[in-house]
Amino acid sequence: QSVLTQPPSVSAAPGQKVTISCSGSSSNIGNNYVSWYQQLPGTAPKLLIYDNHKRPSGIPDRFSGSKSGTSATLGITGLQTGDEADYYCGTWDSSLSAGVFGGGTKLTVL
Amino acid sequence: EVQLVESGGGSVQPGRSLRLSCAASGFNFDGYAMLWVRQAPGKGLEWVSGISWDTGTIGYADSVKGRFTISRDNAKNSLYLQMNSLRPEDTALYYCAKGGPSYGVGSYDYWGQGTLVTVSS
Repeated sequence: QSVLTQPPSVSAAPGQKVTISCSGSSSNIGNNYVSWYQQLPGTAPKLLIYDNHKRPSGIPDRFSGSKSGTSATLGITGLQTGDEADYYCGTWDSSLSAGVFGGGTKLTVL
Repeated sequence: EVQLVESGGGSVQPGRSLRLSCAASGFNFDGYAMLWVRQAPGKGLEWVSGISWDTGTIGYADSVKGRFTISRDNAKNSLYLQMNSLRPEDTALYYCAKGGPSYGVGSYDYWGQGTLVTVSS
């Protein structure tokens, strides 16, 4: 049981937009920055979004992040088959004094 | 180019020990927090342990507290994880990841490729 809650799966057609939600509490998302990671099959996670909405160098602006209260959202526009991956949200939990991740969301581009 | 290379994984019996290492290059290792994250087969990511740049702050997930010890050697640009009293549920791919300048920031911008730990009798 993960501290952060994500939908197990989402799907959309190529070219469309999808959003992935991440729900937490005041001890984690509510008072800390959220990051998002993409894990392509058989590879290590890759940072997509940090500080709620910032993109590292090299990450296309098709990927966006937002946060409101104790929830965060990852948005992906112009879906490509290469976007098929598992996506994880993560943040710090001040009560646990530990990092926490969501359970992951599998994106299928139909 | 930032590189993180883990080593030390393997197959061990329950109750035994393993020591993982992570060799870092391409950045000022002694300026950043570092951490270990694991992923059991077919499962999600689990934060295991983190350490501040100066070893002044260290944290563990409840699942490994008292059994695992994280350490670092800034002179050798290396991160370690001593794993004792291993259990079957510790079976996972263990990733080394780079944190930010401050401990407790949940954003990890570089990850290694992982080293596999299998605990089985």
